[in-house]
Formats: sequence, C-alpha cells, structure tokens
Amino acid sequence: AQKVTQAQTEISVVEKEDVTLDCVYETRDTTYYLFWYKQPPSGELVFLIRRNSFDEQNEISGRYSWNFQKSTSSFNFTITASQVVDSAVYFCALRGTGANSKLTFGKGITLSVRP
Amino acid sequence: DAGVIQSPRHEVTEMGQEVTLRCKPISGHNSLFWYRQTMMRGLELLIYFNNNVPIDDSGMPEDRFSAKMPNASFSTLKIQPSEPRDSAVYFCASTLWTGLEENIQYFGAGTRLSVL
Repeated sequence: AQKVTQAQTEISVVEKEDVTLDCVYETRDTTYYLFWYKQPPSGELVFLIRRNSFDEQNEISGRYSWNFQKSTSSFNFTITASQVVDSAVYFCALRGTGANSKLTFGKGITLSVRP
Repeated sequence: DAGVIQSPRHEVTEMGQEVTLRCKPISGHNSLFWYRQTMMRGLELLIYFNNNVPIDDSGMPEDRFSAKMPNASFSTLKIQPSEPRDSAVYFCASTLWTGLEENIQYFGAGTRLSVL
C-alpha cells in the first residue's frame, strides 16, 4: 500500500520569508515516482516537479527547491523569498510501478503568503 | 498547446438529476484519469483508461457513477441519479503512458459540481 503524509495542513508566512513544505511517503516498491502539484485559488492543478526514486539529487528551479531523502522517505519542498502569488494548496503525490499502481496524493498544505 | 479541457466548469443541479461531465485529453495522450476532490477525502482516483479501455474502476463510489471513453479525444463521467453527497470538484487528467517510464499526469481545470 502507498501512503503520502503532509503533516502540515496550513502555513502562513509573510512575503519574502522562506518556507518548507514537508512530505513523507510510504511504499513497498523499489522504483517509484514522487510529484508536487500546486493548486492556486483558481482551482486547477499545476504540475511542479517529478522525481524518480533513483535520483536523489536535489533540484532547484528559481525560488523553488526540492530535497529528496530516501533514508527518511521524505520529499520536501522549499520556497525561497515567498511571494503572494505562491499562495495555494500544495500536494505531494506518489506513484509506484507495480501493476495498476495509482497516483496517491497527500491531503495538501494550504500556504498563505501575506504582503 | 491546449491542455486537458473539461466542461462545464461549474454545474448546479438538483438531487435526482443526471449529470454528465466531459473531458478532452491532451492530443497524443493515451491514458485518462478521473479524480474527485472533497474536503473530507482529498483527491481520489475514480477510474482510469489506457487506450480508451477502462483499466481500474475500483474508485468509482457506486453504480450511480459511470465513465466512458468512446475515442482517444473524449471521455465522460456520468452520475445518475445525482445526490447532494456527490458535490465535489471533479478533475480529469491525461498522460502518455509508454510502460517504460512514469509520465506526468496533466490536469484539467476541474468541474465544480453542486447537487442541491
């Protein structure tokens, strides 16, 4: 069985602060994929990043960075110098590679960035 | 390029009525997914298709729910009869599944359904 836990439910920061969104996962698959999606107030789900289980390199994209640690089964997401436009719900998701494996989402973290 | 297109964006209906949600996947994608999002249960996979064939419908809540994919560019999710507890946001997503590597699911904007 797969499980994704996003223990933080709501985070509020002031603009320009750094913020880290935590994601912990469980899977029995040796090969699996991790994702982050953003859901802004308009409601759509926007893909941010995919990481496979063999690639533990951290990734940086502009103000966004991701820290994948297999030893702790975590895939955390950091926003540096947050902006009001970062306000959204952020979902971490996991997909294994077994037959009929599904994309399993965490409950999401609501991030509010105040001016 | 056009993304996944869902219609309608909003649907308000009365209990007992039939509701049909529509989805056009990204051109060239061969896998299509229907999800439901509620506050209580989060995002749940209802059903998915590979090459227009339903592969796993174990997430479909009841017989009142049905989904079809008559061709590679169109899918419907039907609820008949609808009930207030069906109120949710329904998302469609698509991807190009090759069997070799996990591909990214791209989501539509969703249909917000309210059953009164």
